[in-house]
Amino acid sequence: EVQLVQSGPEVKKPGESLRISCKGSGYRFTSYWITWVRQVPGKGLEWMGKINPSDFSTKYSPSFQGHVVMSLDKSLNTAYLQWSSLKSSDSAVYYCTRPGDTDGRGWFDPWGQGSLVNVSP
Amino acid sequence: YVLSQPPSVSVAPGQTARMTCGGNNIGSKSVHWYQQKAGQSPVLVVYDDSDRPSGIPERFSGSNSGNTATLTISRVEVGDEADYYCQVWDISSDQVFGGGTKLTVL
Repeated sequence: EVQLVQSGPEVKKPGESLRISCKGSGYRFTSYWITWVRQVPGKGLEWMGKINPSDFSTKYSPSFQGHVVMSLDKSLNTAYLQWSSLKSSDSAVYYCTRPGDTDGRGWFDPWGQGSLVNVSP
Repeated sequence: YVLSQPPSVSVAPGQTARMTCGGNNIGSKSVHWYQQKAGQSPVLVVYDDSDRPSGIPERFSGSNSGNTATLTISRVEVGDEADYYCQVWDISSDQVFGGGTKLTVL
């Protein structure tokens, strides 16, 4: 069974750094992009960007470029999303997901369980 | 690329719910639909316009033509109450989600 398991909830203060994780299992990790999606409470899904585990290449949405960094550790089958300086507006649930096709252009399935990030003074 | 969804749709149990997703010439793209129940992760319910993943009831169907894609749920059940999102891949924007439609089962 293909699974993505994410790290637990985080409570941080503005200006702090943070790294959340997403561990894939049940498939060849290097064959599929990992995508990150943000959902602010009560709002819709926003595509943040993606990282290719085979060559570490990344593509970011213009809305998130420069504010987050996507990385991964192939030896651990784990992808990461990190911030160097959090803002209150970063409070949201962050999902990792995997495209159905190896070209990264199709549907997303499965999804991780989500990582809640709460940034508050 | 922008996808437009109505904020809400209401339907009585047993009736048919239709939720639209509008986009410029969306009929030339592959459209995917997700169901998200309160407090849960999104779940794929239709991919490539009209295909269903294993485990998704036949009551869920999709179509796509012109500037509108549609997710149809037949014989709606109370358990279908959720937010529904459409998604496409666009060569300029990469992945795009619609704003979501809240389905209320009266």
